[in-house]
Amino acid sequence: GAGVSQTPSNKVTEKGKYVELRCDPISGHTALYWYRQSLGQGPEFLIYFQGTGAADDSGLPNDRFFAVRPEGSVSTLKIQRTERGDSAVYLCASSLTRGDEQYFGPGTRLTVT
Amino acid sequence: AQSVTQPDIHITVSEGASLELRCNYSYGATPYLFWYVQSPGQGLQLLLKYFSGDTLVQGIKGFEAEFKRSQSSFNLRKPSVHWSDAAEYFCAVGAGGSYIPTFGRGTSLIVHP
Repeated sequence: GAGVSQTPSNKVTEKGKYVELRCDPISGHTALYWYRQSLGQGPEFLIYFQGTGAADDSGLPNDRFFAVRPEGSVSTLKIQRTERGDSAVYLCASSLTRGDEQYFGPGTRLTVT
Repeated sequence: AQSVTQPDIHITVSEGASLELRCNYSYGATPYLFWYVQSPGQGLQLLLKYFSGDTLVQGIKGFEAEFKRSQSSFNLRKPSVHWSDAAEYFCAVGAGGSYIPTFGRGTSLIVHP
């Protein structure tokens, strides 16, 4: 079956602009996670959804970052007033429910110029 | 808070040789431990995990890892490496009750023919 997909695969934007990154989880997976992976580092947790609600957003670095999952499937990570330090690969993962194995998407590489 | 150290940034082995990737964790109680592999252009894939029980864990692709509480380690091993094993390997630790892993910075495995 289809895995986790993320669009776009690459995004280049100018400092100060707004971006949206999309994640399509595996069908039927109720848990969805966003991570950020900077160059030479492991993924860092950003936010976790169980269904439509954000169950844990403790990893969001500041209020420029926001994520939604209005219907409990597709999720969008939104970044306002982008900064060069936001450049990274943004990974999405989903699992059948909390505690199950997480399946990762290929990521969106964000470059802020 | 939990943390993970992967002391080797790069490891080079010859095809057919044995492999051991080191991972040390910091967490006050019994941790959940994971090894993931990330190939270029691919999402992170779970190789194996330890939650409890037998401290020697078997995973996919011929990998195994051993949990040693006294050494706070969870090293990954494979008896004979294949060229297709060249990738980035991440060790991760999850606190009890939390299924959101904290990742190490990764070890890049290079396989020489």
